[in-house]
Amino acid sequence: EDQVTQSPEALRLQEGESSSLNCSYTVSGLRGLFWYRQDPGKGPEFLFTLYSAGEEKEKERLKATLTKKESFLHITAPKPEDSATYLCAVQDGGSARQLTFGSGTQLTVLP
Amino acid sequence: NAGVTQTPKFQVLKTGQSMTLQCAQDMNHNSMYWYRQDPGMGLRLIYYSASEGTTDKGEVPNGYNVSRLNKREFSLRLESAAPSQTSVYFCASSAGLSNQPQHFGDGTRLSIL
Repeated sequence: EDQVTQSPEALRLQEGESSSLNCSYTVSGLRGLFWYRQDPGKGPEFLFTLYSAGEEKEKERLKATLTKKESFLHITAPKPEDSATYLCAVQDGGSARQLTFGSGTQLTVLP
Repeated sequence: NAGVTQTPKFQVLKTGQSMTLQCAQDMNHNSMYWYRQDPGMGLRLIYYSASEGTTDKGEVPNGYNVSRLNKREFSLRLESAAPSQTSVYFCASSAGLSNQPQHFGDGTRLSIL
């Protein structure tokens, strides 16, 4: 059974204070790892897909990396508008139809 | 640029009542999904439709039914609502099943009293 664990559950940063969010996963064969951002009262918004260990993707202040056991979402010099819940999900090679989601990291960036 | 549209946004039901949640996408996607999101549990897949004319069970299908009305629309029905079905329901769509990012609507907040 696929498992996704995100840590920490909540993170408070000062504006400009860089940090990383962790997504640890267990799958039988990774087809893809997805990062989403979710604002209160909204649906998840797609950020990145990573397919293989060593892959990296960037978007503005966000950078996602992937190893064989975990993914990191690095946030460089965050701003208050980066405050949101960040979700990680995996899709395994055997069950192409289902994503398994973690419970998310709630990020608060203080001005 | 609407993307995925869900109706209604909020609903309160009494135990035993029935209801249909509506979802429509305008991205010409083949695959559509219904999830529920509960505090501390992450998103869980209820049902999905790989393409028009097909539907399959996800992780938590009990108490729900779905209809893929056409390529754009995918509805979720609660035949006899129970308090355990109080949740936020999200519809999503993707170009295909594999390796394609799913795009979500803004959810329906459903309370069962």
